Amino acid sequence: DVKVTQSSRYLVKRTGEKVFLECVQDMDHENMFWYRQDPGLGLRLIYFSYDVKMKEKGDIPEGYSVSREKKERFSLILESASTNQTSMYLCASSLSLLSGTEAFFGQGTRLTVV
Amino acid sequence: GENVEQHPSTLSVQEGDSAVIKCTYSDSASNYFPWYKQELGKGPQLIIDIRSNVGEKKDQRIAVTLNKTAKHFSLHITETQPEDSAVYFCAASTGSGGSYIPTFGRGTSLIVHP
Repeated sequence: DVKVTQSSRYLVKRTGEKVFLECVQDMDHENMFWYRQDPGLGLRLIYFSYDVKMKEKGDIPEGYSVSREKKERFSLILESASTNQTSMYLCASSLSLLSGTEAFFGQGTRLTVV
Repeated sequence: GENVEQHPSTLSVQEGDSAVIKCTYSDSASNYFPWYKQELGKGPQLIIDIRSNVGEKKDQRIAVTLNKTAKHFSLHITETQPEDSAVYFCAASTGSGGSYIPTFGRGTSLIVHP
């Protein structure tokens, strides 16, 4: 079974802190994604990566950055956390083929910024 | 970019009834349409998917239909059970720089009353 593991289920951080959310997948997938989930807004794409060291902005990249130094690991960085970044963060991975493929999700990290 | 609309946002049914969730998409180049189920405290998981060269697909009590001309697709659940209660997301995958990126609808909270 594909496994996508997010390093924390719950995090509480202070405003202005630099926050790292880590995600690891074990199926050699090329694509990795970070989504943010808010009630009534669904899943919104923050950043995605299709290869090591490659990254592309999604729909809501402001206030975030990412790092992919190894194929299996994709990190989301909040440079200076703010209260409006309180949310559920979901990491996902998928194979890269000539058409869309299933995305496998981690269990999510619920981040609270106080 | 792709835009996916999903309706209804909440759906309440009696056990044994059928449930239908509808989505529309905007990008005619989208070619893969998955449906995900998210249970409380978990990440979304794929339950069924359909590709653009297929009009209908069925798996036991769930089925998906796709109308490419009208750019809409639907999830049908028959003989609903309490364990079907969850949030359901539709998605449409569109090519971006050689990768396929899923864009999600806002989700439908399905409640099945025993």
